[in-house]
Amino acid sequence: DQQVKQNSPSLSVQEGRISILNCDYTNSMFDYFLWYKKYPAEGPTFLISISSIKDKNEDGRFTVFLNKSAKHLSLHIVPSQPGDSAVYFCAASALNDYKLSFGAGTTVTVRA
Amino acid sequence: DTEVTQTPKHLVMGMTNKKSLKCEQHMGHRAMYWYKQKAKKPPELMFVYSYEKLSINESVPSRFSPECPNSSLLNLHLHALQPEDSALYLCASSPPPLAGFYEQYFGPGTRLTVT
Repeated sequence: DQQVKQNSPSLSVQEGRISILNCDYTNSMFDYFLWYKKYPAEGPTFLISISSIKDKNEDGRFTVFLNKSAKHLSLHIVPSQPGDSAVYFCAASALNDYKLSFGAGTTVTVRA
Repeated sequence: DTEVTQTPKHLVMGMTNKKSLKCEQHMGHRAMYWYKQKAKKPPELMFVYSYEKLSINESVPSRFSPECPNSSLLNLHLHALQPEDSALYLCASSPPPLAGFYEQYFGPGTRLTVT
C-alpha cells in the first residue's frame, strides 16, 4: 500500500523558471517529511525537510510547503538550474519511527 | 562530514558465490540501514540496526545476512542469490529517532549484478 504518492513521474522545466514537485500522503501518523534528490548510479542526497508543526521551510533555492489538512506537500525550486536535473523522492516518517516511506519519484529535466 | 561510504561500487557474482557489501560512517550515528533499489523505483527498506542491534528486518530472505560489527560499520553478507536480486544496494545512517525526527544520509550504493 503506497502511503506516499508522487503522481507526476516526470517534469520538464526551462532553466531559470520555477519547478514545482507535488507529493500526497495517506497516513495521518506522518509528522516529518523529506525531499531527496538522486542522480543515476548514486545514492539519494538529502535536500530539505519539514515537520508537521510548520507549513513552510526554506533553504536557498528550495522551499517545501506542507498542507497537513490536505495531506499534501510540495517542493519549489527557484530558479531551476541544469544541475537540478535528477529524480526527486518525497519521503515521510512518523515520530520515533525508523522507517521512511518513499514516493515513486519525479524525474526533473531542466532545459537550457 | 555527512559521508557514508560503501564498497565495492560494483559487484558481479554468480548464484553460488558468497560475497559481502560494506558500509562505513563516521558521523556518530547509532542507526544504520540497508535498502534495495531497483531501477525507476524508490528505495525499499531491508534492515535497520540501532545501537548495533538488529531492530527491523523487513521479511528479507535469509540469503541476505546483515551484520553490525561496531557503531561505524555495517555489512551485508550475500549467499546463493538469485538474478532478481540484482539491484542497487544502499546503506544509510541517522541518529536514532528516539527524540524527534532525523534525516537519513545515504551512501553511493553498490550496484550488484547476479549472473
